[in-house]
Amino acid sequence: AQSVTQLGSHVSVSEGALVLLRCNYSSSVPPYLFWYVQYPNQGLQLLLKYTSAATLVKGINGFEAEFKKSETSFHLTKPSAHMSDAAEYFCAVSGDSGNTPLVFGKGTRLSVIA
Amino acid sequence: DAGVTQSPTHLIKTRGQHVTLRCSPISGHKSVSWYQQVLGQGPQFIFQYYEKEERGRGNFPDRFSARQFPNYSSELNVNALLLGDSALYLCASSSGTVQYGYTFGSGTRLTVV
Repeated sequence: AQSVTQLGSHVSVSEGALVLLRCNYSSSVPPYLFWYVQYPNQGLQLLLKYTSAATLVKGINGFEAEFKKSETSFHLTKPSAHMSDAAEYFCAVSGDSGNTPLVFGKGTRLSVIA
Repeated sequence: DAGVTQSPTHLIKTRGQHVTLRCSPISGHKSVSWYQQVLGQGPQFIFQYYEKEERGRGNFPDRFSARQFPNYSSELNVNALLLGDSALYLCASSSGTVQYGYTFGSGTRLTVV
């Protein structure tokens, strides 16, 4: 079984500051890991995914995440926050390469202060 | 290319009623999944279909059912609605393997009163 823990339900950063959103996973098989962003009243948009290739994954809008097996972590970072980054962010895990569903964390709401 | 299309966008139903939600996947995608997102929570898996066959079911009561049609569109049905069924229902399509990711629609906001 897979599970995801997102540390911090709400993170607040100043515009231009580093963004760090934490995600730890549990999986009995090699995981596939994803970060999604959700803007108010919208669906989920894929930011990036880890699928057992490079451990440092670059995504859209300047976001990146590093897969650390020893720490069972997949933290999301962005060097400089923009006001437009304010949204809800979800980390998700899937178990293998087949048709297995995504298991999501509870989400982290990112606020960006001018 | 059109993305994942869901209808309706908003819906208000009364307790005990039945509801049908619809989803059209991205052209060429043969897998459709349904998720329920209660306010303030992450999405929870309900069903997955691939090539019109059910491939997975989450921990939801039998009041929830779904099907996939030959054109790969899908319906989610919920019977005997409860107040707790109020949520955003998300449909996701994929080409069939998780490493390519899932593309989500904008969802259907269901309110049960």
